[in-house]
Amino acid sequence: EPEVTQTPSHQVTQMGQEVILRCVPISNHLYFYWYRQILGQKVEFLVSFYNNEISEKSEIFDDQFSVERPDGSNFTLKIRSTKLEDSAMYFCASSGSSGETQYFGPGTRLLVL
Amino acid sequence: AQSVTQLDSQVPVFEEAPVELRCNYSSSVSVYLFWYVQYPNQGLQLLLKYLSGSTLVESINGFEAEFNKSQTSFHLRKPSVHISDTAEYFCAVSEMDTDKLIFGTGTRLQVFP
Repeated sequence: EPEVTQTPSHQVTQMGQEVILRCVPISNHLYFYWYRQILGQKVEFLVSFYNNEISEKSEIFDDQFSVERPDGSNFTLKIRSTKLEDSAMYFCASSGSSGETQYFGPGTRLLVL
Repeated sequence: AQSVTQLDSQVPVFEEAPVELRCNYSSSVSVYLFWYVQYPNQGLQLLLKYLSGSTLVESINGFEAEFNKSQTSFHLRKPSVHISDTAEYFCAVSEMDTDKLIFGTGTRLQVFP
């Protein structure tokens, strides 16, 4: 069964450093998403992406964040200058079309020191 | 604004007992409703969803949920749980004109032998 994969599973970084979280969505999917879950809190929507454009973003997704689909398979989330409060589990998801089920990856646990 | 409330952060239950995980939502427009499950060290997996039609929806592993519009609820039930059902369960909602999922805080179901 096709699945969404994410790398790395864990990332530790120093405050102020740039990180790139990578995701490989399900191959025939066209809609891509990033969510995050700060420890002990809700899973929160960050951004949705379709046709090489951001279609929706939350207030969390400020100028420090960016997303990209650099090739036909990867979907990345970049945090330019990490802050302590960026420590969280980051989930990538994809769906075949708008309104369809979103399939989630296993997540990347980011720890900012 | 949308919100999802899962009142029970933890639900301990013995194997073969029935269980109900509660979910209430608030929204001013029509919504889609979802239950996702997260097993230890894994990503979020869709358990079941309500989009339209019959208000009672079922999963392949014996869970069911009923959409109650008047009570704005989407409680998850199973008549007889197994040890393998031990996991975190997340209720989520999206409005019909957006793909953004709004999650509850999750309920940890712990099944004891």
